[in-house]
This record gives sequence, C-alpha cells and structure tokens, in this order.
Amino acid sequence: DTGVSQDPRHKITKRGQNVTFRCDPISEHNRLYWYRQTLGQGPEFLTYFQNEAQLEKSRLLSDRFSAERPKGSFSTLEIQRTEQGDSAMYLCASSLGQGASAGANVLTFGAGSRLTVL
Amino acid sequence: DAKTTQPTSMDCAEGRAANLPCNHSTISGNEYVYWYRQIHSQGPQYIIHGLKNNETNEMASLIITEDRKSSTLILPHATLRDTAVYYCIVRVGNTGTASKLTFGTGTRLQVTL
Repeated sequence: DTGVSQDPRHKITKRGQNVTFRCDPISEHNRLYWYRQTLGQGPEFLTYFQNEAQLEKSRLLSDRFSAERPKGSFSTLEIQRTEQGDSAMYLCASSLGQGASAGANVLTFGAGSRLTVL
Repeated sequence: DAKTTQPTSMDCAEGRAANLPCNHSTISGNEYVYWYRQIHSQGPQYIIHGLKNNETNEMASLIITEDRKSSTLILPHATLRDTAVYYCIVRVGNTGTASKLTFGTGTRLQVTL
C-alpha cells in the first residue's frame, strides 16, 4: 500500500474556473476526510465520509464546494467558480473506523493538492 | 475539544533530545493527547497519542503530567529530518463521528548541525 495519494499536487487556475482534486485513500480505510490549510496555519476540517456517505460538512465548505466518494473508494473535491480566497493546500486523509476508540483519530494524510487562484 | 498552547518555535541541535511542550489545562478525563507533525510540503504525519500513561514508540515518547494539564513530546535523538511543525491536539476517543482534529499553529522545530 502506497498510502494516501492526491492528484494533482499543484494546480494554478484563473479566478472563476472550476477545479477538481482527487484522493485515493488507503484501500482498507472506510473513513475519508478533506482538510484545507492556508499559509502559516494548521489544517482545518472541511468534510468527512464514512464509506460513500458524506456525514459531516464544515461551515468552511461553501456551496461552491462539492465532495463525493462514489462506491466508498476514491474521493473528489470540486470547487466551482474559484476565488482568490480558495488558494490553499487541500489535504485528504483516511482512517479505519474502529467505533469508539482513540485509534480512530489516527489519520493518514496525503501530501496535499496546492491550489493557486490568480 | 480542549484548547492547547504550544511555543511558536524551538531550536534543537542534531543528536540532542528535542522536548516539545504542550499545555492543555482544560483537558477532560476522556480526552486523549495526540501529536502530529508536518514536514515542509507534506501532509501531517501521526506521531503518538496517550491518555494518562507515558507512551513510547519508534518515533517518540510522550510524557503526560499526573494532572494531565500538560505534556511533552520527546524526540530522543533529533536529526535534520525532524525539522517540522509539531501539532499537539486534544480530542476524545472517536465516538463514531468525524475526527475533526483541531491543529492550531503548532511549534516549528528547527534542528541544526
């Protein structure tokens, strides 16, 4: 297993364009997360999937953002009509849900997809 | 989740122990202490976690005070590769909902020759 893969690693786009990021989690992990990180700050939670169901979304996730995880495998995060404020690192993470346990908070992160909106 | 306080930055000489402190004075009895680190241009990496006993793994040791209001992450023999931002996170053991980790701004550890 090669860990969590994200693609593309870097994306430069013009304001108003749509962008899509892909995440391939660790295959046996049923939980998948998207986080966003801006310069100088720690990552912030965006959304969470358990298998194919999107169970929670942060208030940071405006209606221009949509995430999917068809068949509970890979996930995509799409940003429509990008704005300069969307420039950030988008991080995907996965974990093995173990019910109520400390280990379920052990997330494996990908290297991230860096978005620059001009 | 309990709030954590960490120094903004620290330096450590290569080969020496790096001791990274974290204050979490409002921690609840069912909250764990987690440490992650983030090397430049990479995603965060899990290091270790603990509830009240000291913990050790191949990466680091975690020392939690008896009153659980603070903890220290110890990298016993720091190398240049340990230069990173270290995040201390306090959170309850997962209850079946999202693991919304609150990273804060962490401690930037610079290991020097």
